[in-house]
Amino acid sequence: DAGVTQSPTHLIKTRGQQVTLRCSPKSGHDTVSWYQQALGQGPQFIFQYYEEEERQRGNFPDRFSGHQFPNYSSELNVNALLLGDSALYLCASSLGPGSRAGGYTFGSGTRLTVV
Amino acid sequence: RKEVEQDPGPFNVPEGATVAFNCTYSNSASQSFFWYRQDCRKEPKLLMSVYSSGNEDGRFTAQLNRASQYISLLIRDSKLSDSATYLCVVNHPTGGSYIPTFGRGTSLIVHP
Repeated sequence: DAGVTQSPTHLIKTRGQQVTLRCSPKSGHDTVSWYQQALGQGPQFIFQYYEEEERQRGNFPDRFSGHQFPNYSSELNVNALLLGDSALYLCASSLGPGSRAGGYTFGSGTRLTVV
Repeated sequence: RKEVEQDPGPFNVPEGATVAFNCTYSNSASQSFFWYRQDCRKEPKLLMSVYSSGNEDGRFTAQLNRASQYISLLIRDSKLSDSATYLCVVNHPTGGSYIPTFGRGTSLIVHP
């Protein structure tokens, strides 16, 4: 399957803990964007990685950080988890940081529950 | 004011009905507009792009009004399988680039 792969699919963490989510982009894509989708809301942009650097960032605190590896895969790290961090975390890959939304391919997401 | 606003619904319609969704965006410099479909507990998937001249894909018609900063999606002859959340997406200018910005989605339920 050459689509976007995210792991794990589900995760339960306790308040104050740290979590790492992983994403492998679609074959041929080099840019990874992360989104947070709370229940009943649309996806909210967290940040975008290209050439192993954070290129754009949404309105999220520094507790949210990321990394991109030379093979274009990416990690999203969240420190000091809050109950409000419970959400579906979506990874989208694209070719180039200026790609339009039509060029995004989403993974099936990681559902994080903070208790 | 939110960057992209949608009526969350739900829209509850019978099979065969025509239903229309609206979306407004706040930044006149926004470029590129899309409708995505999201099934329950699944990832969003591109439904169609939205062009200034309006465009049609089978039973789906999308329209853009730049002057009013308004996007619409019309679904004709609704099918049970059209039940989903429809997300309006706008490429919003951010830091010299454009980032896809999502509305909260409009829920559609098509019943027999």
